[in-house]
Amino acid sequence: AQTVTQSQPEMSVQEAETVTLSCTYDTSESDYYLFWYKQPPSRQMILVIRQEAYKQQNATENRFSVNFQKAAKSFSLKISDSQLGDAAMYFCAYRRRRDDKIIFGKGTRLHILP
Amino acid sequence: DTEVTQTPKHLVMGMTNKKSLKCEQHMGHRAMYWYKQKAKKPPELMFVYSYEKLSINESVPSRFSPECPNSSLLNLHLHALQPEDSALYLCASSQETILGSEAFFGQGTRLTVV
Repeated sequence: AQTVTQSQPEMSVQEAETVTLSCTYDTSESDYYLFWYKQPPSRQMILVIRQEAYKQQNATENRFSVNFQKAAKSFSLKISDSQLGDAAMYFCAYRRRRDDKIIFGKGTRLHILP
Repeated sequence: DTEVTQTPKHLVMGMTNKKSLKCEQHMGHRAMYWYKQKAKKPPELMFVYSYEKLSINESVPSRFSPECPNSSLLNLHLHALQPEDSALYLCASSQETILGSEAFFGQGTRLTVV
């Protein structure tokens, strides 16, 4: 069975600084997708970034980037120039290509300190 | 239109009531999901409809009954719920994995069972 592990229940970062959220996963599949979702207090889950396992290049979306280490089954999220609006719960998620189920890690609550 | 619309946003129901949660998307997505999310926990997958075919999480009690009238609509029928069923219920949709992989989420229905 696939599992997703986020080992940091909470993190804090100073505004404008950089923070990295960790995620590891376990799978026997070779073809899958990984995601980071953000859930602010408004509660809607918003996709931050996604990574296809077959791509070696790390995904980047503006201030958000990932460090995808396929062999180590690691998928960390780096947020640069942190902003107050980045404060939220961040979930790492996994989806294998051949079906529709998306599995979430337990989440990391990110606090931004002004 | 990249929206998944859920109604109602809030629902309070007694243990003897029957109610339904509704979800709608017009993105042409072929998979639709129901997730249950307790406070400070990750979303847990309850049901997936893919091409209107149901896939069930075996641990979901029968007092939750999904229905997919067509490819754009997804309902969750509730009957004889328990107080521990109080949670945020999230609907999501996604398209073919060769075209895209992420799930788009609605804002959720906050359910309270009294």
